[in-house]
Amino acid sequence: DGGITQSPKYLFRKEGQNVTLSCEQNLNHDAMYWYRQDPGQGLRLIYYSQIVNDFQKGDIAEGYSVSREKKESFPLTVTSAQKNPTAFYLCASSIRGYEQYFGPGTRLTVT
Amino acid sequence: ELKVEQNPLFLSMQEGKNYTIYCNYSTTSDRLYWYRQDPGKSLESLFVLLSNGAVKQEGRLMASLDTKARLSTLHITAAVHDLSATYFCAVGDIQGGSEKLVFGKGTKLTVNP
Repeated sequence: DGGITQSPKYLFRKEGQNVTLSCEQNLNHDAMYWYRQDPGQGLRLIYYSQIVNDFQKGDIAEGYSVSREKKESFPLTVTSAQKNPTAFYLCASSIRGYEQYFGPGTRLTVT
Repeated sequence: ELKVEQNPLFLSMQEGKNYTIYCNYSTTSDRLYWYRQDPGKSLESLFVLLSNGAVKQEGRLMASLDTKARLSTLHITAAVHDLSATYFCAVGDIQGGSEKLVFGKGTKLTVNP
């Protein structure tokens, strides 16, 4: 089955700890994206990557980091510098310039 | 900076009624997407509108795009309870060969029996 997987579905962390969210796709898409959703809000772009070993900041990149070592994988690290990390995180992928397809999401709670 | 506004943000309607959700955006784009989100779930793609005057229909939902007015509408015909969800529009902003999506805040639709 082709698709996008995110793990884990739920993640709990203590304040001050870094945490890495996984995103994998087997759609052979070049572009991958990370979005954050807060309650009652739309999605906001954190980072995106068009090709392996290259990525760009989105609108709310502060406190986050990413890597793109493989075409299939685009992990997101939420660092302790992120002031309000509790949110629903969605990964997406696309053929460059075409419709984005979304993964199932990871709900991160930091206490 | 591209901004996207949806209205209404909350919509409560009775089964069998019709209604329209509006999506306005601030800068030129001819790429607009509608998504549905159920509570705790990811986004489900509903419509992709890629040109001025585009109209697409699926069941009780119909979406249209007017790029000159920078307006898209999602029309609901004879609503049923199963349509209860949050609906988002997103406008595509092509930069360096990649498309960045800018989302509206969503319209939470509740269809009452």
